[in-house]
Amino acid sequence: NAGVTQTPKFQVLKTGQSMTLQCAQDMNHNSMYWYRQDPGMGLRLIYYSASEGTTDKGEVPNGYNVSRLNKREFSLRLESAAPSQTSVYFCASRDPPVREQFFGPGTRLTVL
Amino acid sequence: GESVGLHLPTLSVQEGDNSIINCAYSNSASDYFIWYKQESGKGPQFIIDIRSNMDKRQGQRVTVLLNKTVKHLSLQIAATQPGDSAVYFCAENPSGSYQLTFGKGTKLSVIP
Repeated sequence: NAGVTQTPKFQVLKTGQSMTLQCAQDMNHNSMYWYRQDPGMGLRLIYYSASEGTTDKGEVPNGYNVSRLNKREFSLRLESAAPSQTSVYFCASRDPPVREQFFGPGTRLTVL
Repeated sequence: GESVGLHLPTLSVQEGDNSIINCAYSNSASDYFIWYKQESGKGPQFIIDIRSNMDKRQGQRVTVLLNKTVKHLSLQIAATQPGDSAVYFCAENPSGSYQLTFGKGTKLSVIP
């Protein structure tokens, strides 16, 4: 079991470029999440998917879109990257009613 | 245990001593709480959780205490080891919500 995997590990973008961060889990979990983590801060929720076919906004959704491709995969898209989106992005999953979330290793994104 | 701005609160302890990390939560409706450990360059890793119908829960070398009256959580680590050096986050979850809300974290440094 790989758990939660994320690609890429690192990415550098120029302002205005677009990219998609990929996340996959092999634990058959129903719910998946995208967070961002800025220096000295806790994790802030961008979007989540309670179950396959649904997505909802979190605390900081502006500038992002998501796709729940299937039960395993949940992607995060930046259509026009801005320097304020420089951050470390974490994907997580959980299997309700269990409340613990399992996290991936993160993607470190720099927007110049 | 809560930080302001970019600077995480830091707790330095001698190897072998006990550590206590504190966290204040904000939502009276939260009935589930969880502690995560995050090592440098990695994703958060589950340590221990507690439901609001309990005020104490013990794991291996860790104990979580919950005081609902003052909305306060603490994580106690017994016989702290160098491998415990990390940032520790508490998170709260209201009943029926899919979202975890994270605190800003405390950095634990263990002095050998």
